[in-house]
Amino acid sequence: DIQMTQSPSSLSASVGDRVTITCRTSQITSSYLNWYQQKAGKAPKLLIFAASNLQSGVPSRFSGSVSGTDFTLTISSLQPEDFATYYCQLGLTFGRGTKVDIK
Amino acid sequence: EVQLVESGGDLVQPGGSLRLSCAASGDTFSVYAMHWVRQAPGKGLEYVSAISRNGDYTYYADSVKGRFIISRDNSKNTLYLQMGSLRPDDTAVYYCARKVGSGDSYYFDYWGQGTLVTVSS
Repeated sequence: DIQMTQSPSSLSASVGDRVTITCRTSQITSSYLNWYQQKAGKAPKLLIFAASNLQSGVPSRFSGSVSGTDFTLTISSLQPEDFATYYCQLGLTFGRGTKVDIK
Repeated sequence: EVQLVESGGDLVQPGGSLRLSCAASGDTFSVYAMHWVRQAPGKGLEYVSAISRNGDYTYYADSVKGRFIISRDNSKNTLYLQMGSLRPDDTAVYYCARKVGSGDSYYFDYWGQGTLVTVSS
């Protein structure tokens, strides 16, 4: 089975900061790693699909990339509405989540 | 616009049963495979079960296999999860999610708002 490690588990950042979150897979695999944002009490929302494709309606400050087994979600300039928990997903497996809160 | 609306969550005693529903609207329900994903309080997302477009194929996480049954009624645009032999560790918000893609290459583009299942005596 492919193992997936999401890091960090949490981070504190300020509005305007550049934020990166990583999911590392245990082997080279499908590029269909996806990223979701979840705010407290709400359902997850798709941000990025297939590693680097921005879902319709998602702001362009969100981007995704892949290098080998490392998949990265980047928020280029953190906005107040971006404080949330972020999950990666590959097949039936979800990452453990990264909580982004205010520094 | 696509909408998924779950219902059926409740407080149930250990060993009890419950049926969740997910009503879909705004698109052709029958062309999409569907999943159930759950989230225990304060925890991450966990895949529970999946069903193919016409219901011929179903999949279950090991943690629910033999206890839960997923089904769908495309004439009613509704997905179901029949839950039995419930345990306290089944306590979670249950989301239905629409799958786009096939094989191991897919994502979930729409999610319901979730329905809370609490298993406790």
